Amino acid sequence: AQSVTQLDSQVPVFEEAPVELRCNYSSSVSVYLFWYVQYPNQGLQLLLKYLSGSTLVKGINGFEAEFNKSQTSFHLRKPSVHISDTAEYFCAVSEPNTGNQFYFGTGTSLTVIP
Amino acid sequence: DAGVIQSPRHEVTEMGQEVTLRCKPISGHNSLFWYRQTMMRGLELLIYFNNNVPIDDSGMPEDRFSAKMPNASFSTLKIQPSEPRDSAVYFCASSLDPPGEKLFFGSGTQLSVL
Repeated sequence: AQSVTQLDSQVPVFEEAPVELRCNYSSSVSVYLFWYVQYPNQGLQLLLKYLSGSTLVKGINGFEAEFNKSQTSFHLRKPSVHISDTAEYFCAVSEPNTGNQFYFGTGTSLTVIP
Repeated sequence: DAGVIQSPRHEVTEMGQEVTLRCKPISGHNSLFWYRQTMMRGLELLIYFNNNVPIDDSGMPEDRFSAKMPNASFSTLKIQPSEPRDSAVYFCASSLDPPGEKLFFGSGTQLSVL
C-alpha cells in the first residue's frame, strides 16, 4: 500500500529565512509526486509536481522540490520565505500505472514569523 | 474556467439529521474524489470515481456515508444519520486522464454537526 509521511507537523520560521519541508513516500512502482498548498479557509492548490525528467522541480512562489528516488523523498524548499507563505503544505503521491488515486500526507503547517 | 464547485460552503446541522454535500467537477474531467479533512487525521480519501463509477470506497467511514455520481457533472456525498464526529471540512476534487497528473480542488464544505 502507498503511504506518504510528512515528518514535521509544524514548522515555524523567521521571515526571509530558508525552509525545508520534508516528505517521504513508500512505493515499489513508479510514482508522480506533488506538493499542494492550502491557505486558510481555502481549498488545496498545486504548488509543483514531478512526473519525469529532471529531479529538481521548480514551482510557483519561489518553491522548489527535489525527487530522490534512492531515499524515496521529495522535500520542498524555499531559500527565503515571506509572511504570505504561511499555510498548510501537503505532499502527495500518485501511481500512474495502477490507477488515478492520490495519497496525501498529513500536512505541515508552515508559520512565518515577522 | 469555473473550477470545481462545491455546495454548500457551510453546513450546520443537528445530530441525527441527513446531510447532503454536492460537487460539480470541472467539465471534461473524468475522475472525481471526495476527501475529508480534520485536525486529527489530516486529509483522508473517502471515495474515488472514474467515469462515474466508484472505483475505491474503502475510505468511507461506515454505512452512514454514501456517495453517488449519477452523471459526469454532478456528485453527492450523503451522511445519514449525521454525528458530531462527522464534523470536518469535506473537499471534492477532479482530474483528467492520463491518470494522476493533477487534482483540482473545490473550496470545501465546512460541516458542523451539533
